[in-house]
Amino acid sequence: QKEVEQNSGPLSVPEGAIASLNCTYSDRGSQSFFWYRQYSGKSPELIMFIYSNGDKEDGRFTAQLNKASQYVSLLIRDSQPSDSATYLCAVESGTASKLTFGTGTRLQVTL
Amino acid sequence: EAQVTQNPRYLITVTGKKLTVTCSQNMNHEYMSWYRQDPGLGLRQIYYSMNVEVTDKGDVPEGYKVSRKEKRNFPLILESPSPNQTSLYFCASSSGQDSYNEQFFGPGTRLTVL
Repeated sequence: QKEVEQNSGPLSVPEGAIASLNCTYSDRGSQSFFWYRQYSGKSPELIMFIYSNGDKEDGRFTAQLNKASQYVSLLIRDSQPSDSATYLCAVESGTASKLTFGTGTRLQVTL
Repeated sequence: EAQVTQNPRYLITVTGKKLTVTCSQNMNHEYMSWYRQDPGLGLRQIYYSMNVEVTDKGDVPEGYKVSRKEKRNFPLILESPSPNQTSLYFCASSSGQDSYNEQFFGPGTRLTVL
């Protein structure tokens, strides 16, 4: 069983701080990695994807991938209250439609 | 507007009464999936489809059926629903042709089986 592990949180950070969200996965053959944000009662929306080792930056978000350690992370700089949500890590292995999701980390950005 | 639609959004039913949740996408995507989301268990894939008439089981297919007769539609069928199928269901679609595979999710269907 392919697994994707995340700390469920809640992770509480003050406004303006850096939030660091982590994810580990078990399948070494995994090829693509995604971070989705899900607000309460809403559907997940993609915020970042990464498939090469290293860092990928998009605005306030940075995804980091280390395939040797089977570890992917998401950094959110200058955290805002609107970033308060659950962040889902997803890993693609094999077919383009086969995603395995972690259980998500709930982020709370406090004023 | 590019979107994935699901109907109904909310459904309360009784054990054993067959039901269908519809899913439709207007983006000409080849790939479609059904997920269920439960507290503490996250999103789990039920079935997925790579094209018309091509479907495969995900991680939790028991008690569900799907069909893909048209590219845009991917209904989820519960032949004999049971209380353990009470959950939040999401349909998703993706093109599968880009270097990454963004899945677009529908708004969700909250199902309660009594």
